Amino acid sequence: EAGVAQSPRYKIIEKRQSVAFWCNPISGHATLYWYQQILGQGPKLLIQFQNNGVVDDSQLPKDRFSAERLKGVDSTLKIQPAKLEDSAVYLCASGSPSGGRLKVEQFFGPGTRLTVL
Amino acid sequence: QQPVQSPQAVILREGEDAVINCSSSKALYSVHWYRQKHGEAPVFLMILLKGGEQMRHEKISASFNEKKQQSSLYLTASQLSYSGTYFCGTGYGGSNYKLTFGKGTLLTVNP
Repeated sequence: EAGVAQSPRYKIIEKRQSVAFWCNPISGHATLYWYQQILGQGPKLLIQFQNNGVVDDSQLPKDRFSAERLKGVDSTLKIQPAKLEDSAVYLCASGSPSGGRLKVEQFFGPGTRLTVL
Repeated sequence: QQPVQSPQAVILREGEDAVINCSSSKALYSVHWYRQKHGEAPVFLMILLKGGEQMRHEKISASFNEKKQQSSLYLTASQLSYSGTYFCGTGYGGSNYKLTFGKGTLLTVNP
């Protein structure tokens, strides 16, 4: 079974530029998550999709971050304009509630390491 | 409501045991444990549910204490491959599968 794919793996941009990340979840997984992981911290949920609908985006800085999940499969996360504090690893995860809604194992992709200069 | 993990870091010799705790100030419904090696994605270890049984992954087990709103991860006879950062993700019920992750515990196993 193929895992969660993400691209690019690394990105370096200047502040105020824009950047986009792409995620392809495991086939058949209805739930997709984008996390931001700052060095030395745990992953912080930015947005959660169920199929192509947003379930939770309470921690997404909506003035600069946006995300979409087209046709309930692939997803893109965009930052425009980027700030220095956006430097982090952006992780995409997908899951499927095979054992009930509280037993959703999340499978993480390799992440995109963003450096904002 | 970010869960609190303790200790922040622990260093072991191969074969020694360790316990990592994850505490919440809010009523927990589920606790998920992940291990992340440097530069890699978090890897799922196990899920514990409120009222559920203790879980096990190889020589790693975990428990859920409802009274204390706490989960503990037990690493027995540690191996070099156990090195990494351990995160707990807590679920508080609701209609989605949202997890809130702790800051992690860095475990180093030396030969």
